[in-house]
Amino acid sequence: GQQVMQIPQYQHVQEGEDFTTYCNSSTTLSNIQWYKQRPGGHPVFLIQLVKSGEVKKQKRLTFQFGEAKKNSSLHITATQTTDVGTYFCAGPGGATNKLIFGTGTLLAVQP
Amino acid sequence: DAMVIQNPRYQVTQFGKPVTLSCSQTLNHNVMYWYQQKSSQAPKLLFHYYDKDFNNEADTPDNFQSRRPNTSFCFLDIRSPGLGDAAMYLCATSRVPGGAGYTFGSGTRLTVV
Repeated sequence: GQQVMQIPQYQHVQEGEDFTTYCNSSTTLSNIQWYKQRPGGHPVFLIQLVKSGEVKKQKRLTFQFGEAKKNSSLHITATQTTDVGTYFCAGPGGATNKLIFGTGTLLAVQP
Repeated sequence: DAMVIQNPRYQVTQFGKPVTLSCSQTLNHNVMYWYQQKSSQAPKLLFHYYDKDFNNEADTPDNFQSRRPNTSFCFLDIRSPGLGDAAMYLCATSRVPGGAGYTFGSGTRLTVV
C-alpha cells in the first residue's frame, strides 16, 4: 500500500538554528499537506501544495513540493521555542482519496 | 467560531466495557473521519463518512464501529475495549475526501483499565 515516510524522526536544535524535514511518498500525490501537532495537542493544518515544484512561504516556514510530486520538504528558518512539535506531511491516496499521514518529525528547540 | 468538538476530553473505561466517543462539527463539512493515534505515531485512519456513505479501512478491527446520525455528529463505538485500544482518538472533518485542510478536534484520550 501507499506509504509516506519522513526524515528525520527526531531533531533537536538550539533556538535560532534552521530545521528541515523531508517527506517521501511511495506514489505520486495530487497534493501534499502539512500539519503541526504540539505536544498533547491535535494536528493543525498549515498548508497545501498542489503544483509540481511549488514553493510556498509562511513567515519563517518554507514548503516545497517536488517536481515528481512524490516528495516535499518543510524548512524553518531561525527556529523559536514556539516551533516545538511534530510536523506531519500528508497526501491523499487509495480508492477513497483518504489522507495518509507521514511518519512525522518531532522538533525540539532548546532556548 | 466554526469548529470540531470532541467529548469527553479524557475517558477511562474498563476492559471489555463498551464505550462511545462523540464528535460534533459546525463547519457543515461533508466528510467526518475517526483517527487513532498512539504515542509518538502518526494518526491512523479507522474509517470515515462521506455524507452518509461509510468507508471502513481494511485493517480496522471489527471491535470499532461508527455512526453518523446527521451532518453534524459522528460517534465512535468500541464494543469491547482492550488494553491495546488505549490511545488518542481524533475526529476530523473536510469538505471532500483528501481535501485541503482537515480540521481536527482536540481529541479524546482513552484509557483502558
